[in-house]
This record gives sequence, C-alpha cells and structure tokens, in this order.
Amino acid sequence: AQRVTQPEKLLSVFKGAPVELKCNYSYSGSPELFWYVQYSRQRLQLLLRHISRESIKGFTADLNKGETSFHLKKPFAQEEDSAMYYCALIPNRDDKIIFGKGTRLHILP
Amino acid sequence: DTGVSQNPRHKITKRGQNVTFRCDPISEHNRLYWYRQTLGQGPEFLTYFQNEAQLEKSRLLSDRFSAERPKGSFSTLEIQRTEQGDSAMYLCASSVLHNEQFFGPGTRLTVL
Repeated sequence: AQRVTQPEKLLSVFKGAPVELKCNYSYSGSPELFWYVQYSRQRLQLLLRHISRESIKGFTADLNKGETSFHLKKPFAQEEDSAMYYCALIPNRDDKIIFGKGTRLHILP
Repeated sequence: DTGVSQNPRHKITKRGQNVTFRCDPISEHNRLYWYRQTLGQGPEFLTYFQNEAQLEKSRLLSDRFSAERPKGSFSTLEIQRTEQGDSAMYLCASSVLHNEQFFGPGTRLTVL
C-alpha cells in the first residue's frame, strides 16, 4: 500500500538549533517526493520536491531509497519556520498526492 | 488574486441537508483536484479532472458525493444528505499537466 509516515505530531526546537522532520514512505515503484508547508492562516504550498534537489528557505531533503526516507533538514531554525509540514508522494507522474499526517514545527525563542 | 479560489470559505449545515462547494482554478490549468482534510490528518485525495473529464474517484467518495467540471473551468463538489462525519476542510488544487499543484484556501464544512 502507498503510505507516508511522519512519526512526530509536534516538534519543538530552539531558534538557531538544527531541525530534522522525519518522513518515511511505502511504495514499490519510484515515487516523486515532496514537502508541503502551511503557515498560520495561509494555504498549503509546496516547499520543495526531491527531483529539483534545491534548497528552499534553508531547507533541504534527500531521498534515501534504501531506507525509503525523505527527511527535511535545516541547520539553523528561525522563528518564521514555525508551521505545519506535510511530507507527500505522487506514486505515478501526474497522479494524486498522498500526504502524511503532518508535523507541527514550533520554534522556541 | 490569480490563485485558486474556493467558495464559500465556511459552511454550517444541519445533518441531512445538501451542500455545494465551488472551486475556481488558476486560469489555463487543465487539472483540478479535490481533497478532504479532517482534524489531525493530512489532506486525502477525493477526485480529479483533466479539463471536463473526471479521471479518478477515491473510495472515500461515497455515492452521496458528486463532482463536476462542466466546461473545464470551475468545479463544484456536492454532498447530499450530509452526515456529521462529513465535517472537514475541503481543499481544491489545480495544475498544468506534469506540474506543481496549487491549493486553494479550502471550504470548512461543519455538519450539526
């Protein structure tokens, strides 16, 4: 079955500390992996996708096919990073998105 | 605002009533998706359209749910005989083939 697992519902990190949001997926093929973010009172938006291999707002994510993981990392947390983060996959190109349950990131001052 | 828009933003209804939501995608986006999000969960896929054709429906979409995109532009999602379990945020997204899905603000449905 296609599934995305985010083990942490809430992650609290001090400003300036490193951040790692965990994501594991279950899919037999080669999916596209994404991270979406929802800031307070804003709509869901794409943060980054594994195929682009870029850093957005200081965040990076590396696809590890052996461990079926796609963890999101940032070396130094900022207060504006506080938001809800969803890991997601598209099992086939152009298909629906399968989301994890989300992790709320809370940056402490 | 050229983003995806949804109306109404909030809907409160009594159990057993019918409700209809509207989604206006970004112009020229040929794909339109509906998702449902309940408390503590990520969005779950319901259905999607390519132009006016409905290409896939999730098992979550019971026969009380129907979606249309008659002219390949805006879409409506209707829920008949609403139940308390239908209370959720209904999200719409649109995309150009093979590209990023852009989400609307959602319609929050509360069934009393």
